[in-house]
Amino acid sequence: QSVLTQPPSASGTPGQGVSIFCSGSSSNTGRNSVTWYQHLPGTAPKLLIYSSNRRPSGVPDRFSGSKSGTSASLAISGLQSEDEADYYCAAWDDSLNGWVFGGGTKVTVL
Amino acid sequence: QVQLRESGPGLVKPSETLSLTCAVFGGSTNSYYWTWIRQPPGKGLEWIGYVKFTGSVSLHPSLKSRVTISLDTSKNQFSLKLSSVTAADTAVYFCARGLYPVWFDPWGQGILVTVSS
Repeated sequence: QSVLTQPPSASGTPGQGVSIFCSGSSSNTGRNSVTWYQHLPGTAPKLLIYSSNRRPSGVPDRFSGSKSGTSASLAISGLQSEDEADYYCAAWDDSLNGWVFGGGTKVTVL
Repeated sequence: QVQLRESGPGLVKPSETLSLTCAVFGGSTNSYYWTWIRQPPGKGLEWIGYVKFTGSVSLHPSLKSRVTISLDTSKNQFSLKLSSVTAADTAVYFCARGLYPVWFDPWGQGILVTVSS
């Protein structure tokens, strides 16, 4: 059971948008920023969003993040086939004094 | 471009010690937080702990009694030891460079370690 809650799956057709939500608590997402990772099994997970809404250089602006209260979301606009992957949210937890993750959301491009 | 690569045995017997090394290429271990994360089959990611560039360590409370993480700056690598393993420790183990509490980047591609006799 992951500390942060994500839906197990999301899907959309090419060109559509999809949003993934991540819910935590006051000790993690309520107090600290959220990070998002994209993971294709068998490869290294890739940093997509940090500080809840900032994109590292090289990440397309189709990916955007936001946070409100104890919930965060990752939005993907203009879905492309290469976006088919697992997406994980993460946040520092002040009670654990460590990082916590969501269970991951598998995005399927129909 | 910093790259990380995990290495170690892919099979460990129950009750023995799992030992992994993460080599860092294209960058120095003289800064950042060097982190281990794992993913059991079919499950989510779990933070194991980090060794800071200063040598200080922080570990997940549930694993603290069994985990050692160390840094060798001369070899530009860091290591994970997990003792008294059971089948529940079977997972893909990732190493990552961390900027706390902001991000992990980059990650290694992971190494599957199976605990089985």
